[in-house]
Amino acid sequence: NAGVTQTPKFQVLKTGQSMTLQCAQDMNHNSMYWYRQDPGMGLRLIYYSASEGTTDKGEVPNGYNVSRLNKREFSLRLESAAPSQTSVYFCASSRLGQGTSGNTIYFGEGSWLTVV
Amino acid sequence: LAKTTQPISMDSYEGQEVNITCSHNNIATNDYITWYQQFPSQGPRFIIQGYKTKVTNEVASLFIPADRKSSTLSLPRVSLSDTAVYYCLVGGAGSYQLTFGKGTKLSVIP
Repeated sequence: NAGVTQTPKFQVLKTGQSMTLQCAQDMNHNSMYWYRQDPGMGLRLIYYSASEGTTDKGEVPNGYNVSRLNKREFSLRLESAAPSQTSVYFCASSRLGQGTSGNTIYFGEGSWLTVV
Repeated sequence: LAKTTQPISMDSYEGQEVNITCSHNNIATNDYITWYQQFPSQGPRFIIQGYKTKVTNEVASLFIPADRKSSTLSLPRVSLSDTAVYYCLVGGAGSYQLTFGKGTKLSVIP
């Protein structure tokens, strides 16, 4: 069972280049998320998609765009990469809206991005 | 969204029980309390979730007092492999923007 899969795992970009991080989940979850984590810091939400067809900004959306391609896939695009976007990026998903429990989030293994 | 406060770091010897407390004074009626564990170079993973009183699974126990303004994650007989960062999150079914603070860095000493 793959869970949440994100690609690529490692990437080095030059300032100004663009790239897309891909994410897919096989748990039939409604909601998907993109977080970034900087050294020694917690995770900060970039964008989320509550359900297929919707996307919303999180805490740190500037410099990023997202696409909820279908229920399984949620991509993150850096249009013009900057050194400040050097970070580890985590994709996640959850069954929000199903049942009465809290929102349990399942994470991918991370994508290490360096912008030089 | 409820703000949480937890210790930045804790040390423990192998075999000891570890209790990590999280404060969440403005927790809402429909909020649940969820704890995650993150190892270096990995994504966080779910440990345990509760609403009130006590919840126990094969990994940990979660104690929540009646006023729900705090919670305590209890890890029995820790081993070196429990060295990780532990995050406390509070939110309900409508909580999309869950905030991960810096968490508690647990170091288990041989």
